[in-house]
Amino acid sequence: NAGVTQTPKFQVLKTGQSMTLQCAQDMNHEYMSWYRQDPGMGLRLIHYSVGAGITDQGEVPNGYNVSRSTTEDFPLRLLSAAPSQTSVYFCASSYSGPRNTEAFFGQGTRLTVV
Amino acid sequence: GDSVTQMEGPVTLSEEAFLTINCTYTATGYPSLFWYVQYPGEGLQLLLKATKADDKGSNKGFEATYRKETTSFHLEKGSVQVSDSAVYFCALSATGVAGNMLTFGGGTRLMVKP
Repeated sequence: NAGVTQTPKFQVLKTGQSMTLQCAQDMNHEYMSWYRQDPGMGLRLIHYSVGAGITDQGEVPNGYNVSRSTTEDFPLRLLSAAPSQTSVYFCASSYSGPRNTEAFFGQGTRLTVV
Repeated sequence: GDSVTQMEGPVTLSEEAFLTINCTYTATGYPSLFWYVQYPGEGLQLLLKATKADDKGSNKGFEATYRKETTSFHLEKGSVQVSDSAVYFCALSATGVAGNMLTFGGGTRLMVKP
């Protein structure tokens, strides 16, 4: 089973460039989310989705857009990259069950903005 | 808002030593509590969880008990191995949060030496 697949694994961008981080899951999970991981700050929620066509903002949404046209895919778009967006990005998915439902994570995308 | 605080690392131990990683939380209601582990170059994976007060989660020799009176969920292992070297994240899923989104602590890096 593929689980949660993120592409690319590594990316270097110049300030002002745009790009899309891809995330796909094959577990038919309703919930999907994007986090960024920065040293000493754990993972912070950027955007999330509770189902196809439904998205909402998390803790740090500025500079990012998302859409959810299918259950499987949840791309994250950087509109105009800034050095402050240098981070490791993780996509996660889970069932729409109780609060103790396990979240499954992708392997991450390491993004550097120069 | 909800928050999770865990001890800063790195924690360096010799093989077979006893491990404790402290975690405390702030949340309204009765959150579910989790420990996730991140091995080098990989995404996060669930290590253990607990849903209500006095529940004990356990897996792979690790344990943590949900202590509501002290709002804590400390991770323990009686005898660590080199293969336990990783970053450990304490997290919570709060009552009424859409999509069961997680709030993470800053992470604690554990290094186990032979």
